[in-house]
Amino acid sequence: GAGVSQSPSNKVTEKGKDVELRCDPISGHTALYWYRQSLGQGLEFLIYFQGNSAPDKSGLPSDRFSAERTGGSVSTLTIQRTQQEDSAVYLCASSIIAGGSYEQYFGPGTRLTVT
Amino acid sequence: AQTVTQSQPEMSVQEAETVTLSCTYDTSESDYYLFWYKQPPSRQMILVIRQEAYKQQNATENRFSVNFQKAAKSFSLKISDSQLGDAAMYFCAYRRGIIIQGAQKLVFGQGTRLTINP
Repeated sequence: GAGVSQSPSNKVTEKGKDVELRCDPISGHTALYWYRQSLGQGLEFLIYFQGNSAPDKSGLPSDRFSAERTGGSVSTLTIQRTQQEDSAVYLCASSIIAGGSYEQYFGPGTRLTVT
Repeated sequence: AQTVTQSQPEMSVQEAETVTLSCTYDTSESDYYLFWYKQPPSRQMILVIRQEAYKQQNATENRFSVNFQKAAKSFSLKISDSQLGDAAMYFCAYRRGIIIQGAQKLVFGQGTRLTINP
């Protein structure tokens, strides 16, 4: 079946603009994760959704970042008033269930460049 | 907080030879999982191998095997018979084993860029 998909693949935006990044998880996967990969910080966790539970937002770097997951499927990561330090690759992953040895399947990421 | 350290930013190996990538981690927990992920230029993270902390036997997947030293908190990846397609960034990652809110996030090392010389 289809893997995790993300759109857009690449996004260039001007400083101060808002951006939305989309993630389509594998069908039936109840857990969804967002990570950020940047040169300075490496790979870091941003936010996690599991079923109907309240999301774990502990990794969001500032209140300019938010995410939602509609209908337990598609997720959107929104960055408001983008800054140059937001430039990074944003990776989405999903798994069939949280915990255990269940593999997280990653999408190809969205490369965000803030000019 | 858990940390993962990969001390080799870059490694290179001749095709068909064996290479070992190092990883150490720090945790006070007893139940956890360790992973090696491969990230080719396409950016897609691909799981190479996983190890459950409660298992003493080292995991193997075809040409890939790990040396898991729990007491030393070391988790190295050995790639045998290296192939050109193995060239990529390799990330070591840690995840807690307890199912509680927020416990499933992966903690990654900084990565090792592996080059295969033909």
